[in-house]
Amino acid sequence: NAGVMQNPRHLVRRRGQEARLRCSPMKGHSHVYWYRQLPEEGLKFMVYLQKENIIDESGMPKERFSAEFPKEGPSILRIQQVVRGDSAAYFCASSTFTDTQYFGPGTRLTVL
Amino acid sequence: AQTVTQSQPEMSVQEAETVTLSCTYDTSESNYYLFWYKQPPSRQMILVIRQEAYKQQNATENRFSVNFQKAAKSFSLKISDSQLGDTAMYFCAFRYGSEKLVFGKGMKLTVNP
Repeated sequence: NAGVMQNPRHLVRRRGQEARLRCSPMKGHSHVYWYRQLPEEGLKFMVYLQKENIIDESGMPKERFSAEFPKEGPSILRIQQVVRGDSAAYFCASSTFTDTQYFGPGTRLTVL
Repeated sequence: AQTVTQSQPEMSVQEAETVTLSCTYDTSESNYYLFWYKQPPSRQMILVIRQEAYKQQNATENRFSVNFQKAAKSFSLKISDSQLGDTAMYFCAFRYGSEKLVFGKGMKLTVNP
């Protein structure tokens, strides 16, 4: 049973470009969560999605960031017009309704 | 809003010794979940142990055990027989229902040979 998969593992973008981060949840998990970890800090919640629905996006910056979890395919976290402050590790986690959240290996985004 | 506090930023311990990591939290909910996650240098977030608030019995997983004091809102992690592979950042986290995890700032544990 494969774990949570994220790709790419490392992503380098120049300021102003777009970043797309993908997350495939564990088999049988319909809840996906995105977290961001800035250097030397803990993880901060960004968004919680179920298939085709955004349940809680209270941690998402109001501009440039969006997320989706389509009926088919992985969840996508999209960052438009990236800035240096977006450089961070982005983690995806998945779970069943109230079960433990299991994390993917993360995507490390570097903005030049 | 729920908050999680880890007041010790860093600790070190000798191999084979026992160490306790502290965590306190604040919530008005009565049924919730508490977790300890480990983040080694690989940066992968690994679940160490989980505690359901409605269970009075403290959770244990091999060398890892917790001391859950619901009234005091305290959730400490005890690592027995520390191993070099336990060197990592440790994060305490709170969750209510299917909602997001709220993390503490983490504690860096170093196990010395």
